[in-house]
Amino acid sequence: AQSVTQPDIHITVSEGASLELRCNYSYGATPYLFWYVQSPGQGLQLLLKYFSGDTLVQGIKGFEAEFKRSQSSFNLRKPSVHWSDAAEYFCAVAAASGGSYIPTFGRGTSLIVHP
Amino acid sequence: EAQVTQNPRYLITVTGKKLTVTCSQNMNHEYMSWYRQDPGLGLRQIYYSMNVEVTDKGDVPEGYKVSRKEKRNFPLILESPSPNQTSLYFCASTTTSAKNIQYFGAGTRLSVL
Repeated sequence: AQSVTQPDIHITVSEGASLELRCNYSYGATPYLFWYVQSPGQGLQLLLKYFSGDTLVQGIKGFEAEFKRSQSSFNLRKPSVHWSDAAEYFCAVAAASGGSYIPTFGRGTSLIVHP
Repeated sequence: EAQVTQNPRYLITVTGKKLTVTCSQNMNHEYMSWYRQDPGLGLRQIYYSMNVEVTDKGDVPEGYKVSRKEKRNFPLILESPSPNQTSLYFCASTTTSAKNIQYFGAGTRLSVL
């Protein structure tokens, strides 16, 4: 069965600083990987996804993530954080073929941005 | 517009009073699922459905029921709600042609008194 670990429950950064949110997954084959963002009081919005090919993927709002198969990781990064990035971030993994087509989500990382 | 619609958005009820949260998608997706979101616990899957008349338990199914009589609808039923089911609920749908990108409803905030 697939699983996702987001080791950081909360991350606090200053506005303008760089950001990295960690995500480790467990899955026996090639996965589909996702990052979703949930702004306060809102539903979940897809930030970016990895299906195949280039391991560095670009998403919306200036985010990027890098798939590292050897480390089973898919960390989310942003070079300069804005106050509006304060939100809950969820990493998710799904089967690329066979298995469950319903993604499994991590517990989320809450991003706090100080002015 | 492609969307997943949940109703109601907010609901306050009392222990033991049966309720249904509806979910409908207009994208002809095969797969639908229900999640609950609780502080510190992230998103936990309650039930999912791979197609019409095919449903299966997720990680936290106790106290919930679902049905999938039509492809577009996937209601969540609480036969006898209890206070520990106070939570934020999300319905989502996906399809293999969308490569499992989940489309989420706006959420239903349920309080059971």
